[in-house]
Amino acid sequence: GAVVSQHPSWVICKSGTSVKIECRSLDFQATTMFWYRQFPKQSLMLMATSNEGSKATYEQGVEKDKFLINHASLTLSTLTVTSAHPEDSSFYICSARGLAGGGELFFGEGSRLTVL
Amino acid sequence: DAKTTQPPSMDCAEGRAANLPCNHSTISGNEYVYWYRQIHSQGPQYIIHGLKNNETNEMASLIITEDRKSSTLILPHATLRDTAVYYCIGRGLSGTYKYIFGTGTRLKVLA
Repeated sequence: GAVVSQHPSWVICKSGTSVKIECRSLDFQATTMFWYRQFPKQSLMLMATSNEGSKATYEQGVEKDKFLINHASLTLSTLTVTSAHPEDSSFYICSARGLAGGGELFFGEGSRLTVL
Repeated sequence: DAKTTQPPSMDCAEGRAANLPCNHSTISGNEYVYWYRQIHSQGPQYIIHGLKNNETNEMASLIITEDRKSSTLILPHATLRDTAVYYCIGRGLSGTYKYIFGTGTRLKVLA
């Protein structure tokens, strides 16, 4: 199946700093990518839809100025957590849908962010 | 997108079939049922999807009731590596394609 890769897989940062997470579709082009956040023992929560060449669409309650999303090419979307605080510590997962196919999404391995 | 309901947890003996139910009584006629699973600290993995006919692939079988209000994912011979959280999602093939995850079923395969 199609491969989606995230980097870094884990990151530790100090409170107040910004962290960038990359999501790449390795063997297909993705016009749309999705970013999720998952807290321990909870389900995935959709944060935003990232569209190539246009602004991201954020879900209700997600601060767009805090979670900056850029989808500059058909194979790369980035999520930047700005001025991170301990409550932003979470597992961030991206997914992508190819230009063709049966509608299934392919997910990255996830990035675990710990803010001290 | 259809709201889905799944039991929070299930146990299954290794080597036996694991049958995971999902209720999606509000699913519309053009919405597919997708199944994903998430092994601890990894991204979700696609398993199978279907519309109205039963489906089978190398990982699992999907049985959808005739009224499409529920479905069952079948892992024919569960192994310890199948221990994971299984998510059932209903969505159409048009629109934004965003998947809304429910709480899923935590399957534990016992040796």
